[in-house]
Amino acid sequence: GENVEQHPSTLSVQEGDSAVIKCTYSDSASNYFPWYKQELGKGPQLIIDIRSNVGEKKDQRIAVTLNKTAKHFSLHITETQPEDSAVYFCAASRRGGGADGLTFGKGTHLIIQP
Amino acid sequence: EAQVTQNPRYLITVTGKKLTVTCSQNMNHEYMSWYRQDPGLGLRQIYYSMNVEVTDKGDVPEGYKVSRKEKRNFPLILESPSPNQTSLYFCASSYSHGDLNYGYTFGSGTRLTVV
Repeated sequence: GENVEQHPSTLSVQEGDSAVIKCTYSDSASNYFPWYKQELGKGPQLIIDIRSNVGEKKDQRIAVTLNKTAKHFSLHITETQPEDSAVYFCAASRRGGGADGLTFGKGTHLIIQP
Repeated sequence: EAQVTQNPRYLITVTGKKLTVTCSQNMNHEYMSWYRQDPGLGLRQIYYSMNVEVTDKGDVPEGYKVSRKEKRNFPLILESPSPNQTSLYFCASSYSHGDLNYGYTFGSGTRLTVV
């Protein structure tokens, strides 16, 4: 089955700086890669996703890049703000999410230092 | 408001006492799933359902049961809970549009403690 590795497990950055979280996956048939943000006491919330037919996707301060050849994808957050502090999870799936579930990375605790 | 609703939010029970965690979604999603979240292990899928009366095992199904008699509901049943099932549980739903499937919308979680 699919295996998703996520690094780092903890990331501390100064407010206003950029943060990058990286994931690798093992199943070359995976073609859907979402990112989730989990705030304390809440369920994970989808923040951005990318499919294998594109290499990059942006939404305001967040962007995701995908390298299918190397089987890795990354989340980039620019101009970080205190409200970006949370745990972030990457995930991968063959059939694009709901159809057969998602395999998640173990999460990155992002800490934004004031 | 479009959402996935789980109940209860918190539950403490004793070993062997059957329990059910309910999950309901109001988005008419065909796919539903249960995950458990444990420190250091991330989110692991327990069971999923692709539509009414269609369910399948995820990565960690042992000790759990599910049913999907209606599209909106997907209860998680622990017939004989054990302490190793102490965890944070999430229900989630998603949908497809044409050839594309979309990522899950998660509920707020159920923190279960089995003593």
